[in-house]
Amino acid sequence: QKEVEQDPGPLSVPEGAIVSLNCTYSNSAFQYFMWYRQYSRKGPELLMYTYSSGNKEDGRFTAQVDKSSKYISLFIRDSQPSDSATYLCAMKGRGSTLGRLYFGRGTQLTVWP
Amino acid sequence: KAGVTQTPRYLIKTRGQQVTLSCSPISGHRSVSWYQQTPGQGLQFLFEYFSETQRNKGNFPGRFSGRQFSNSRSEMNVSTLELGDSALYLCASDYGSGMNTEAFFGQGTRLTVV
Repeated sequence: QKEVEQDPGPLSVPEGAIVSLNCTYSNSAFQYFMWYRQYSRKGPELLMYTYSSGNKEDGRFTAQVDKSSKYISLFIRDSQPSDSATYLCAMKGRGSTLGRLYFGRGTQLTVWP
Repeated sequence: KAGVTQTPRYLIKTRGQQVTLSCSPISGHRSVSWYQQTPGQGLQFLFEYFSETQRNKGNFPGRFSGRQFSNSRSEMNVSTLELGDSALYLCASDYGSGMNTEAFFGQGTRLTVV
């Protein structure tokens, strides 16, 4: 079992839809949770960063972390064609393992006009 | 504030050759980590350097090595290249300690081995 599981999709939605992306994980030591957006042939771009459990909102994006269920989510409201990309969840622990990110496989999202 | 810079952006090498990739982190960041991204395997962790010391290492063969300089710039080297080493190589930087540990990626170096 991989430490981070993410449904690769693909996910295809109409413009304006609410998109829900999810990841589960098995390592209870993970404390920091991130969502990255990656356009084709580009490096991952950090979208959201959350420490421990809770919600965080930034514009059209909301990140949720439920450590008791080992489950994280990213919601995109009023989705736009420019949101079409691969979304990667990532997480890491503390101390000596702080520098290592554990990634999901990524979910490919297409938003059509 | 400049982002993470990786050079070169593209490389074509022949099997058996070696290659060196470079990564300049965001100013003030002391941790640099390297990842290999392929369509089949996703993002796989290679190693991480913090204050010129390798702090974490992934499950890659010894042909993959790295180092970090006193200015936090990092290089990774792949010797005796194989066709399967063709991938996008990404580096990420962050402060490496404390609470602000957001990791930022460069645009990657796309390596093609022929």
